[in-house]
Amino acid sequence: NAGVTQTPKFQVLKTGQSMTLQCAQDMNHNSMYWYRQDPGMGLRLIYYSASEGTTDKGEVPNGYNVSRLNKREFSLRLESAAPSQTSVYFCASSVGRDQETQYFGPGTRLLVL
Amino acid sequence: AQSVTQLGSHVSVSEGALVLLRCNYSSSVPPYLFWYVQYPNQGLQLLLKYTSAATLVKGINGFEAEFKKSETSFHLTKPSAHMSDAAEYFCAVSTRGFKTIFGAGTRLFVKA
Repeated sequence: NAGVTQTPKFQVLKTGQSMTLQCAQDMNHNSMYWYRQDPGMGLRLIYYSASEGTTDKGEVPNGYNVSRLNKREFSLRLESAAPSQTSVYFCASSVGRDQETQYFGPGTRLLVL
Repeated sequence: AQSVTQLGSHVSVSEGALVLLRCNYSSSVPPYLFWYVQYPNQGLQLLLKYTSAATLVKGINGFEAEFKKSETSFHLTKPSAHMSDAAEYFCAVSTRGFKTIFGAGTRLFVKA
């Protein structure tokens, strides 16, 4: 049982380049999330998908787009990367949106030069 | 609305000493409360969860937390710290109709 998987593990981009972070879960969860983690700022929610076919903005959505491809997969796209998007990105999933334990992937470390 | 505050971004204890990580929450309705742990270069994993069934919640690795409604607190404790407990710990709150909110985290250092 792989749980939540993320690819890639590490990426270096130049300012203005685009990329997509991939996330998949094999627990048949309905809800999926993308967070960024920066030193001293904890976890900040970028986007979430409460169920297949829906997506909603979180706390820091600017500069990002998401796609809930199917129940298993939830991708995060940076259309034009900026140095301020240098961060560690975590994908998570849960059975439902509220009051549920979230299960996290191992993270993607992104450096934007 | 709901919020969570973790007191102390860094806590340092000696091996064998009591671990106490503080968390206070704000919620207008009964909350679910969580503690997650993050080891270096890993994602977060659940340590324990309060769902209103019992005020004292036991988690993995000897940790426990007590829900105190009068103090709006959910502090995490462990009687005797081990070197392997060195990690970052996150408190989180969730209520029906609202997304989960995470605290800023407390990094625990354990000295030999």
